[in-house]
Amino acid sequence: NAGVTQTPKFRILKIGQSMTLQCTQDMNHNYMYWYRQDPGMGLKLIYYSVGAGITDKGEVPNGYNVSRSTTEDFPLRLELAAPSQTSVYFCASSYYRDQETQYFGPGTRLLVL
Amino acid sequence: ELKVEQNPLFLSMQEGKNYTIYCNYSTTSDRLYWYRQDPGKSLESLFVLLSNGAVKQEGRLMASLDTKARLSTLHITAAVHDLSATYFCAVDLGRDSNYQLIWGAGTKLIIKP
Repeated sequence: NAGVTQTPKFRILKIGQSMTLQCTQDMNHNYMYWYRQDPGMGLKLIYYSVGAGITDKGEVPNGYNVSRSTTEDFPLRLELAAPSQTSVYFCASSYYRDQETQYFGPGTRLLVL
Repeated sequence: ELKVEQNPLFLSMQEGKNYTIYCNYSTTSDRLYWYRQDPGKSLESLFVLLSNGAVKQEGRLMASLDTKARLSTLHITAAVHDLSATYFCAVDLGRDSNYQLIWGAGTKLIIKP
């Protein structure tokens, strides 16, 4: 049982490049989330999904896209990278939406230059 | 503007001492979560507080929630070095906001031998 896994662990992008951050969970969780964590700040929700085929915007969705074709996978797409997207990205999952602990992946550190 | 404020943001203390971290929030909520993050690592759930007056304890950590005061506390008793980490609180906005979590900036705790 690997829990929540993320790839890559670290990536450097040039301005305007695109990339996909991968997230997979093997706990059969319905809900999945993408957060970003800027230095010295709390997490901010980018997008979340309540199940395969259903996604919704969080607090800071601009510049990102997501899809959820399976229960296990929830990739995050950056289309035109900008320096403001330099951050650490965490994927999380939970079985229920409320009153439920979220389980976090190890994070992806992204640097946009 | 919704705010979740933690204080202190940084705390250095000696082993064996007691201390309290405070989490104030500006919106109505009766659900709050505490997480721990070790340097360069992911987030780990500590406590889920689901009602006014809720108190949870695990080892040397005890968390409480006062929804009327919009305040949660994380109390550390007889601190040990292994508790050195960054501690985050997160406030659940409830069903009307799709249970989105608003996170505090974190309290970095260093415990010296």
